[in-house]
Amino acid sequence: AQSVTQLGSHVSVSEGALVLLRCNYSSSVPPYLFWYVQYPNQGLQLLLKYTSAATLVKGINGFEAEFKKSETSFHLTKPSAHMSDAAEYFCAVRATNFGNEKLTFGTGTRLTIIP
Amino acid sequence: GAGVSQSPRYKVAKRGQDVALRCDPISGHVSLFWYQQALGQGPEFLTYFQNEAQLDKSGLPSDRFFAERPEGSVSTLKIQRTQQEDSAVYLCASSSLRGGRRSYEQYFGPGTRLTVT
Repeated sequence: AQSVTQLGSHVSVSEGALVLLRCNYSSSVPPYLFWYVQYPNQGLQLLLKYTSAATLVKGINGFEAEFKKSETSFHLTKPSAHMSDAAEYFCAVRATNFGNEKLTFGTGTRLTIIP
Repeated sequence: GAGVSQSPRYKVAKRGQDVALRCDPISGHVSLFWYQQALGQGPEFLTYFQNEAQLDKSGLPSDRFFAERPEGSVSTLKIQRTQQEDSAVYLCASSSLRGGRRSYEQYFGPGTRLTVT
């Protein structure tokens, strides 16, 4: 079974500072990994995904993540935080085999931006 | 085209009532997923369809939960005899398979917030 662990349920950063949201996965084989963002009363929006191509993945809104197999990590970063980045962020994992496409999510990290 | 839509957006049910939640996936998407998101938690998988076939229902928490997608498009999640622990946001997502090329993204709807009183 696959799982993800998000360290830190709440993260606060100052506007303009580096954003780092941590995600570690557990899987017997390298999985596919995703970061989603959720704004209040909205569904989830895909930020970026790792599907066994490049290990450094760039997404929308200036976010990127690096897949590190040796550390079983897929941390999300953004060089300079913006007020509009305040939201809930979820890391998710799924198997790579066809027909087993369900996502397993972490418990989420609420990002607060300090003006 | 339009994104995934869900209705109703909010539903209040008295304990013991039956409810039906609707999901309209993105047109042409063949895969459809239901997730349950409790307050302050990440979404949890409930069930998955490919066209009209329900391929995985391992996440349905009890036999009070039932999902269908009879024509391979719109899906309905039905909860019978609702309990307070069913209170959550129910999210629907769809994904596409285009001529053998797989799409990894799941596109989510806004969810239905169910409150059982």
